[in-house]
Amino acid sequence: DSGVTQTPKHLITATGQRVTLRCSPRSGDLSVYWYQQSLDQGLQFLIQYYNGEERAKGNILERFSAQQFPDLHSELNLSSLELGDSALYFCASTPGGHTNTEAFFGQGTRLTVV
Amino acid sequence: ELKVEQNPLFLSMQEGKNYTIYCNYSTTSDRLYWYRQDPGKSLESLFVLLSNGAVKQEGRLMASLDTKARLSTLHITAAVHDLSATYFCAVAPRGAQKLVFGQGTRLTINP
Repeated sequence: DSGVTQTPKHLITATGQRVTLRCSPRSGDLSVYWYQQSLDQGLQFLIQYYNGEERAKGNILERFSAQQFPDLHSELNLSSLELGDSALYFCASTPGGHTNTEAFFGQGTRLTVV
Repeated sequence: ELKVEQNPLFLSMQEGKNYTIYCNYSTTSDRLYWYRQDPGKSLESLFVLLSNGAVKQEGRLMASLDTKARLSTLHITAAVHDLSATYFCAVAPRGAQKLVFGQGTRLTINP
């Protein structure tokens, strides 16, 4: 158990809908990273938050947004869903703002858009 | 833009044999990570390599980093079935926060 908790584990929804994925980092970790894993794109970095503020942005679509709350949990919001958004979404956390230490990954949320 | 390439992408081997997975990356970095992923599961951290010449070993796995050649290797010694999984290397570009992952190497070890 990495200590990073993601909910829900599975999500099935229809095209055009909006979903929210939740992540609780390891106790004491201030940074949260979101990654998308799909068959065609592999593992791609989406966005990072550090202590409530956006720190870095990757290949995140405009239809997607994220935030980190004062208790340090993070949510990834996906809207106007398309079939191609079906993927495993992982959250990872590190103590600080840099990846000098290993990032611990949650179990992931498997999103299926039908 | 940093690119990370692994090879081979698929590897089928027999128990007891040795093999090496290679990870090449395109721009300067001195932080490289190896992860293991079982089907449908999370990413498990295996090794963190932070400097040129770093070598780390855990059981039948050994990882090394050559920052000058921009190359890391993951060596498997006397493979056993339990090591069957997909192995990813990931590189943190200098000054950046994210990890850039390789495509993954799907390793199957046959009895």
